[in-house]
Parts: sequence; structure tokens; C-alpha cells
Amino acid sequence: DAKTTQPPSMDCAEGRAANLPCNHSTISGNEYVYWYRQIHSQGPQYIIHGLKNNETNEMASLIITEDRKSSTLILPHATLRDTAVYYCIVRAPMGFNKFYFGSGTKLNVKP
Amino acid sequence: DAGVTQSPTHLIKTRGQHVTLRCSPISGHKSVSWYQQVLGQGPQFIFQYYEKEERGRGNFPDRFSARQFPNYSSELNVNALLLGDSALYLCASSLDSQETQYFGPGTRLLVL
Repeated sequence: DAKTTQPPSMDCAEGRAANLPCNHSTISGNEYVYWYRQIHSQGPQYIIHGLKNNETNEMASLIITEDRKSSTLILPHATLRDTAVYYCIVRAPMGFNKFYFGSGTKLNVKP
Repeated sequence: DAGVTQSPTHLIKTRGQHVTLRCSPISGHKSVSWYQQVLGQGPQFIFQYYEKEERGRGNFPDRFSARQFPNYSSELNVNALLLGDSALYLCASSLDSQETQYFGPGTRLLVL
């Protein structure tokens, strides 16, 4: 599975959009981009995933560049409860289902 | 619908002891994966089971073992505990071996 690079931390003002970048320059054509978040001491929470097209659900939007070498997770209106570590993961839908988490980005939402 | 459940929530053991952690997947999910998360790091993959067979194993010693039961619940066993085994142990379930994984709240193990 391709590895990802994320900034270690980011700040965001409450009510503003939080844009979390992820670099996955070695991604293969069949590898999906997944985003999870982990609020302190809880299990990781699935947010969204995509292959090529941009995706949106009730939690967030995922923007994947045309060359698929990077992506951005967008939380449209961040709240204090969105403070968490956000993990960007790429994996292929074959073989067994190992997720490589890396270190993630600590998002601090401030009032 | 109930999510992934894990038991116990917290556990304290001493070096050399054995521990068994339990996981019940989301109803209808046939695959369970186990992860270890040491403080300050991201989760590290230990095992994946699908239809009661081991489908994948991470870089962990043989002291770590697991199994999946006919009802798709799973146990993670760790023998001869070391101080370094202190961590949050996470279970994740998925419909099959390749679908999105959903995580439980974890079991926090402290080895003294």
C-alpha cells in the first residue's frame, strides 16, 4: 500500500472550513483514499473514501486531484467536537484489508 | 444498529501473564481485524480474519494470536506479556475482507 504524508498539526477557527491535505504521490491506479479520525482515546471513526472522483457525505467532502497524487478532506463548518487526529490512508481493494495509519494530522478547532 | 463492541474496556496485567481480548463485529460483518495503538502513534495492524480464517498478519511476534468464531466474533490472545505490550487494542469489522473497516472503542491494556 502507498504511504501518505500529512502535516502533524493544523488549527481552525470554529465555524470555518477545515481543509486537511494529504500527499500520496506513489498511489497506484486501483488504490482508494480513505479518511478516518480519532478523538482522544476513542476508536478511529470512518469519515469518507474515494477513488478518482470527489466525494461528499454528511460529515465531509473529499477532493482528489486529477493525477491522484494528493487529496484534501474538507470539514465545511468545523466545531469544537471536530478536534481530533485525522488519518489519510491509501489501500488497494485486494488481498487482505490492512490499513496503514501513519501519524495523521492533529486538528485543533478553536473558539 | 449496534457498532463494534469490545471487552473488557480496561485491563491491568503483570509481566509474563496472558491476556484475552474480545470483539463482536457489526451484525452482518464477516471480517474482523485487530490493531495495536501505542500512546502517541497511529494504530498498527496485527491480524485480519475472514470467515474464521486468518487472511493477514502484521509484524508482531508469535506471542500474539487470534481466532474467529462461527458467529464472527473474535478473540486476541497475547502470551508472556511485556511492558511494551501496554497499548490500546482496537478491533475493526467489515462486510468482507476488503470493505471499509469500522472500529470499536478499544481495550486499554496496562502491563506492570
